[in-house]
Amino acid sequence: AQTVTQSQPEMSVQEAETVTLSCTYDTSESDYYLFWYKQPPSRQMILVIRQEAYKQQNATENRFSVNFQKAAKSFSLKISDSQLGDAAMYFCASNTGANSKLTFGKGITLSVRP
Amino acid sequence: GAVVSQHPSWVICKSGTSVKIECRSLDFQATTMFWYRQFPKQSLMLMATSNEGSKATYEQGVEKDKFLINHASLTLSTLTVTSAHPEDSSFYICSARGTRSNEQFFGPGTRLTVL
Repeated sequence: AQTVTQSQPEMSVQEAETVTLSCTYDTSESDYYLFWYKQPPSRQMILVIRQEAYKQQNATENRFSVNFQKAAKSFSLKISDSQLGDAAMYFCASNTGANSKLTFGKGITLSVRP
Repeated sequence: GAVVSQHPSWVICKSGTSVKIECRSLDFQATTMFWYRQFPKQSLMLMATSNEGSKATYEQGVEKDKFLINHASLTLSTLTVTSAHPEDSSFYICSARGTRSNEQFFGPGTRLTVL
């Protein structure tokens, strides 16, 4: 079974600053995938970034990057140059190659101060 | 590409009635669809997994007779909340997985309010 833990319920960042959202996971599988999803007030789930466990290189998507520490089972999301539109709930999630069922963390509410 | 729609986006019904929610993959074939329930400021809770042409697999604690799921085609899955009660009021989200990867694409969700 997989577990995903997000221990911080809320965070705040100043506009244009950088913020890091934490996530740890546990799995017995060797083939797995990690995701960060954004859920803005509209509640539409938006994929921010994904990481294949077999890849050593950290994934990057524009202002979003991850710090994937496989041995520590840590998968944090860094948002650079934060914008007001980044304010949302962010969920860390994982699934395996064999089973695409996603396991979600509890989520973190990110607010951006102008 | 990879667009998933849900209909209706919101629905209000009386207690005791049934409500059907549709989930469609618009530009890809979805071999597997998932149904989630989400309460305000909480995470998504997986209710069931449906594969085209077969019975849905329900998560522990989810009443299969209350939440009927049908996945009749590769682009359509439906969730029917039978004999709805106020405690069934929630935000229901579907997602679909294509044939090429294990990434899930999410619908915009349906807000159900049972009076």
